[in-house]
Amino acid sequence: DAGITQSPRHKVTETGTPVTLRCHQTENHRYMYWYRQDPGHGLRLIHYSYGVKDTDKGEVSDGYSVSRSKTEDFLLTLESATSSQTSVYFCAISGGERGGPDTQYFGPGTRLTVL
Amino acid sequence: SQQGEEDPQALSIQEGENATMNCSYKTSINNLQWYRQNSGRGLVHLILIRSNEREKHSGRLRVTLDTSKKSSSLLITASRAADTASYFCAPSFTGGGNKLTFGTGTQLKVEL
Repeated sequence: DAGITQSPRHKVTETGTPVTLRCHQTENHRYMYWYRQDPGHGLRLIHYSYGVKDTDKGEVSDGYSVSRSKTEDFLLTLESATSSQTSVYFCAISGGERGGPDTQYFGPGTRLTVL
Repeated sequence: SQQGEEDPQALSIQEGENATMNCSYKTSINNLQWYRQNSGRGLVHLILIRSNEREKHSGRLRVTLDTSKKSSSLLITASRAADTASYFCAPSFTGGGNKLTFGTGTQLKVEL
């Protein structure tokens, strides 16, 4: 979706290093989400935000932190990356006029490899 | 955990045939959504059906919802090779706010 970008799109890092993934939206949607997708697990919610500076934990939040200082940006930080955090990370947004409050729109994903 | 479970896990059909995927869940919902994911891409919203609706159509898509059985089905009519993708149901559970829970999906392959 052109209104949601993720950066970087690909990243290879080493165990123990901090990593920050960025999600940027131009849609002015209130809610933002971070998911990870792994084979056999589908999409699992890591953290989500329901407004600027308002965030909450999802299903698999251990080892991750988030920040949202502006409506358009939602950052996901891996404090100290581990191999188990190798995954594809998706950002999603919802709560705008398009699609109503419940429909989520997804970014293109970030493929993270932790060696 | 609370999530939708899709069935079957994989489905292979010929172009022109209909494809039916099912979703089951365990607790009460506000609505249920279906998403499609092409290989290597983000999920795309297909259709939303509310808990007080029984059937909904969008183009070649037909979704049904049976809240008494806690199940939903997605029917794609006259499938095309371009429909090859993974399909996910995402229930929005009562009391869950705006969060969705996704299962592992149904991988649909439409062959020429």
